[in-house]
Amino acid sequence: QKEVEQDPGPLSVPEGAIVSLNCTYSNSAFQYFMWYRQYSRKGPELLMYTYSSGNKEDGRFTAQVDKSSKYISLFIRDSQPSDSATYLCAMSSGNTPLVFGKGTRLSVIA
Amino acid sequence: EADIYQTPRYLVIGTGKKITLECSQTMGHDKMYWYQQDPGMELHLIHYSYGVNSTEKGDLSSESTVSRIRTEHFPLTLESARPSHTSQYLCASSERSKGANTGELFFGEGSRLTVL
Repeated sequence: QKEVEQDPGPLSVPEGAIVSLNCTYSNSAFQYFMWYRQYSRKGPELLMYTYSSGNKEDGRFTAQVDKSSKYISLFIRDSQPSDSATYLCAMSSGNTPLVFGKGTRLSVIA
Repeated sequence: EADIYQTPRYLVIGTGKKITLECSQTMGHDKMYWYQQDPGMELHLIHYSYGVNSTEKGDLSSESTVSRIRTEHFPLTLESARPSHTSQYLCASSERSKGANTGELFFGEGSRLTVL
């Protein structure tokens, strides 16, 4: 079983839709959870960062962590064509390097 | 925008050639990393360094080597390239007090290598 599971998509939604992206994990020691966004032919960039459980909101983006279910989510409200990218979840226990998911490719259609 | 640079962005070479992928950062970060990324697959850590003269292998077996003689520079070398080395290679860096273990990585734009 992989440590981090993420559906690679692709996911296609109309502009203005609410997007939900998810990852599950198996290592209960993970405490640091983040979402990276990667545009085509670019490197990933950190989008959201959460420590332990709970929610974090930044503009149209909300990250949720449910450690009891080993499940993390990223919600994008009022999605825009500029949100079209690959979204990678990543996590760590703090003692070992990051483990990444495969990434979900998102297309927002105008 | 992150100040981390990779060259070349694209490289096509023949089997058996020696290649070096360059990575430089101007942020003074102590920690630097090389990841391999294939379409639809996870980023895999192949090498990392926590400072000058410090290098470690990552979780993905790789025939490449790295060096860290200067803080800002972390080149990756393949002595004899093979078609199986065809991939995208991403360099990243992080601050001393933060980093890969806590997630705040700054990535370069990547080097796309094709070995014929």
